[in-house]
Amino acid sequence: DTEVTQTPKHLVMGMTNKKSLKCEQHMGHRAMYWYKQKAKKPPELMFVYSYEKLSINESVPSRFSPECPNSSLLNLHLHALQPEDSALYLCASSQQQGPGNTIYFGEGSWLTVV
Amino acid sequence: RKEVEQDPGPFNVPEGATVAFNCTYSNSASQSFFWYRQDCRKEPKLLMSVYSSGNEDGRFTAQLNRASQYISLLIRDSKLSDSATYLCVVNKRKPYSGGYQKVTFGIGTKLQVIP
Repeated sequence: DTEVTQTPKHLVMGMTNKKSLKCEQHMGHRAMYWYKQKAKKPPELMFVYSYEKLSINESVPSRFSPECPNSSLLNLHLHALQPEDSALYLCASSQQQGPGNTIYFGEGSWLTVV
Repeated sequence: RKEVEQDPGPFNVPEGATVAFNCTYSNSASQSFFWYRQDCRKEPKLLMSVYSSGNEDGRFTAQLNRASQYISLLIRDSKLSDSATYLCVVNKRKPYSGGYQKVTFGIGTKLQVIP
């Protein structure tokens, strides 16, 4: 079982809604990630937090807003999404943010935008 | 050329067969390598890291060839439960980022083990 937990597992939202995805890990990892995965595609990196500070934003539209309240929690706030944003959103963590650090994924949140 | 290339398959093999996947990477500065397994509608899970000297974990063997810039995964005595997509992951230090890593996933190779 994964030690990175994500909620909710499934989310359906309208294009005018505001919702949030939540992620938690208790492995003491100091790097946390959001990935987006579409069907039959590999995960695509969205954001990286290192020591609770945003270190990488892969040119993600502002309708996705990440937040890292503490070293164990990572949120992704969603607002005014488009149907093409429907995907599996994966949270992940690693001990540190650097090559050689294994990335561990949560089970993901399936998002459908209607 | 893509940074990480894999044959998407599918590879259909009978139970008990040996199957091998390759993954090529374009950036010689790549520093660490992994194989992940992803089942349908599930998250990727680490299968094994790949070391320069090669490494083995039960029926699985991973190899790295830095000169030719590829990694491989060999599965011996395939089981039905090995059916999944196998993702190659390559990490390198992101330039001008203070040491952060750039993680690149291959598209994945789909394996179907047939009874």
